[in-house]
Amino acid sequence: AQTVTQSQPEMSVQEAETVTLSCTYDTSENNYYLFWYKQPPSRQMILVIRQEAYKQQNATENRFSVNFQKAAKSFSLKISDSQLGDTAMYFCAFMTPGSGYALNFGKGTSLLVTP
Amino acid sequence: ETGVTQSPTHLIKTRGQQVTLRCSSQSGHNTVSWYQQALGQGPQFIFQYYREEENGRGNFPPRFSGLQFPNYSSELNVNALELDDSALYLCASSAGPGGSYEQYFGPGTRLTVT
Repeated sequence: AQTVTQSQPEMSVQEAETVTLSCTYDTSENNYYLFWYKQPPSRQMILVIRQEAYKQQNATENRFSVNFQKAAKSFSLKISDSQLGDTAMYFCAFMTPGSGYALNFGKGTSLLVTP
Repeated sequence: ETGVTQSPTHLIKTRGQQVTLRCSSQSGHNTVSWYQQALGQGPQFIFQYYREEENGRGNFPPRFSGLQFPNYSSELNVNALELDDSALYLCASSAGPGGSYEQYFGPGTRLTVT
């Protein structure tokens, strides 16, 4: 079975600080895609960042970056210079050809950014 | 460019009834995926439609069925509703079924089964 584990149900960070959200996954496939999605209290799921497993370079999108460790099957998200608008549920997900390109989500980490 | 829309926003049904949820895909997208998100959980994949054909299915019983129309909008039908079907139902559209295509999510339909 393919699984995604987010071991931190809740996290808190002060504005302007840096926070790292953890994610591990398990798959026997070698070709896959990894994602971090953000779901603010308004509910609409938004893609934050994506990583193709065949790429060794870690993806970066402005203040968001990942630490992709393929051998360890780890895919953590780092948020730099945290802003109040970053408060949301964050879901780690992966997708494989073998699963029909369905997104397989973790249970999420609730991030609270405080002033 | 219009984003993904879903209707209705909220719905209350009684156990045993049937429900239809609707999703309009983003312009230019031919693929729609449906997910069920129970309270406090991550979304679970129900099925995906690509060019009007079912393209993949998660671990959901046959009473969950769907359709995709020529304009690529989609419906999710659930028969014989159970209390555990209470959840947020999300649809996502993409320009294709592969991993290189970003899935854009709608705001969801909150279904409550009493």
